[in-house]
Amino acid sequence: GQSLEQPSEVTAVEGAIVQINCTYQTSGFYGLSWYQQHDGGAPTFLSYNALDGLEETGRFSSFLSRSDSYGYLLLQELQMKDSASYFCAVPTTSGTYKYIFGTGTRLKVLA
Amino acid sequence: DAGVIQSPRHEVTEMGQEVTLRCKPISGHDYLFWYRQTMMRGLELLIYFNNNVPIDDSGMPEDRFSAKMPNASFSTLKIQPSEPRDSAVYFCASSLALGTRTNTGELFFGEGSRLTVL
Repeated sequence: GQSLEQPSEVTAVEGAIVQINCTYQTSGFYGLSWYQQHDGGAPTFLSYNALDGLEETGRFSSFLSRSDSYGYLLLQELQMKDSASYFCAVPTTSGTYKYIFGTGTRLKVLA
Repeated sequence: DAGVIQSPRHEVTEMGQEVTLRCKPISGHDYLFWYRQTMMRGLELLIYFNNNVPIDDSGMPEDRFSAKMPNASFSTLKIQPSEPRDSAVYFCASSLALGTRTNTGELFFGEGSRLTVL
């Protein structure tokens, strides 16, 4: 089957650095995406890694290792507004195209 | 563009009633997805359309669920009859292209329809 696994919850303080891991098992893998979702809101796209390595976008960075079926989202200089759920997601093909999401990681940023 | 628009935002109904959720995708997006989100099961893909044609409905839980896309700017998800276990947030999302090695396949989500079946 296809699955993406993430820790359920991570807690950190303002100004800190936090890493959210994602391990995946899929067929027809193209790349790894990350989405952010605030309580009561809609998921919004953060990043996409198709190639191995680190991609940096401001305070957020995302990493992919295709050989390890593993990726992570790195959040630096944490702010209170970063408190949200973070989902890894993959576009994949197994018969037909699907866009599936991980279990989600709830990040709590403490003052 | 106003983004993906869903209605209603909240729906409370009684078991056995018909529920219809509506979605207007972003203009020009060829792909439309319906997801269901619950605490227990996370974000589940129910069905998706390409150019108004249903491509994969393997995620639709039961025959009680049906989805249509009569034109490029409108889709519905219908539950008939509804049951308490259908209570969830239903998201519609659209995308310009599929995710590939060179395209992110970024999904643009609506604000969701929160359904409560009593």
